[in-house]
Amino acid sequence: KNQVEQSPQSLIILEGKNCTLQCNYTVSPFSNLRWYKQDTGRGPVSLTIMTFSENTKSNGRYTATLDADTKQSSLHITASQLSDSASYICVARGGGGYNKLIFGAGTRLAVHP
Amino acid sequence: ETGVTQTPRHLVMGMTNKKSLKCEQHLGHNAMYWYKQSAKKPLELMFVYSLEERVENNSVPSRFSPECPNSSHLFLHLHTLQPEDSALYLCASSPGTSNEQFFGPGTRLTVL
Repeated sequence: KNQVEQSPQSLIILEGKNCTLQCNYTVSPFSNLRWYKQDTGRGPVSLTIMTFSENTKSNGRYTATLDADTKQSSLHITASQLSDSASYICVARGGGGYNKLIFGAGTRLAVHP
Repeated sequence: ETGVTQTPRHLVMGMTNKKSLKCEQHLGHNAMYWYKQSAKKPLELMFVYSLEERVENNSVPSRFSPECPNSSHLFLHLHTLQPEDSALYLCASSPGTSNEQFFGPGTRLTVL
């Protein structure tokens, strides 16, 4: 069964600290994996996309990793800011087509001053 | 802003009401989607339109009725909803059905 599991479900950190969010996927065949950021009351916005051959990709203070062997991805946030407070959603694509997108339930991150 | 707008942003309706959600994309995309997002659950794909033709109806109850009059506009008509239908309804668009999807801000629906 194709599925994406994210952990933790929620996380609270202090401003300036780093954190890492986890995503495990069982999607076959695997095409790519994308991390979205969803602010409260807004739609998801793409942060990074990684294909099978990519191990690491950065977007500012966000760094995503992918291990295709263990089917795991992580999103590392460096020097967190209050504006990082949001839900982070991992989405794996299992081949072409809209019906091959498998969404995780998200990690809710709260950054406190 | 992603170029996808949704109205209204918030909607409260009774179970006997009829209302419509509107989505408009200004990106020249050919595919549009409706998703339901409930608390602590993954996004659920409801409907997909490609070149104004419905290509997916993901076992959605008939009280939800989509309409795509052209490639830029997508509607979701609601009637006789249930309280469990309360959720955030997200619209998305993409150049084709295999490309990155761009999401609107969503409509927060509450059914009393």
